[in-house]
Amino acid sequence: DPKIIQKPKYLVAVTGSEKILICEQYLGHNAMYWYRQSAKKPLEFMFSYSYQKLMDNQTASSRFQPQSSKKNHLDLQITALKPDDSATYFCASSQGTISNERLFFGHGTKLSVL
Amino acid sequence: QEKVQQSPESLIVPEGAMSSLNCTFSNSASQSIWWYQQHPGKGPEALISIFSNGNKKEGRLTVYLNRASLHVSLHIRDSQPSDSAVYLCAVSMGGSWQLIFGSGTQLTVMP
Repeated sequence: DPKIIQKPKYLVAVTGSEKILICEQYLGHNAMYWYRQSAKKPLEFMFSYSYQKLMDNQTASSRFQPQSSKKNHLDLQITALKPDDSATYFCASSQGTISNERLFFGHGTKLSVL
Repeated sequence: QEKVQQSPESLIVPEGAMSSLNCTFSNSASQSIWWYQQHPGKGPEALISIFSNGNKKEGRLTVYLNRASLHVSLHIRDSQPSDSAVYLCAVSMGGSWQLIFGSGTQLTVMP
């Protein structure tokens, strides 16, 4: 059974709309992350959360807003969608709350913006 | 900003051969270096990490780190068709929460 659940697996949106990507982890981890993988680009860090507190943010645009309602839950809200936002978005988690920890990734949500 | 470069972009080896993948990073203050494996349509899965200069062996995997030359390599002994995947090198920086990933090496092991 997958321990990190991302929903939906595929998502198609129109330019200018808003979508929420869901992530839940059942590993009992204390830290959660969002990464993005665009075509022809390396996997790119977006956000890190520890005990539901934002620890690091490398996303320049305020259109991307993480939301953590519970320790094992970290959603990603994206507003005013653009075609350049098309990518696979991966949620990840780690046991500890220090850097250098092993990350466990979900299977990703593939977002296509038309 | 840390930069991570991987080579080759793709590698084809016969079953049973040794696969050798390379990674260079730009900052000697980097902390751990990780190797992740990613199959199509799946998220990356951590394989092995190294922090200290030298080598580390786990099963069929061996990692070599040379901090002076900012180089790390991954060697897969007795490669199997199931090892076919993209291999990602990732570097963590002290005091930072983010992993910096390379673009990956596509490994194909031919039966």
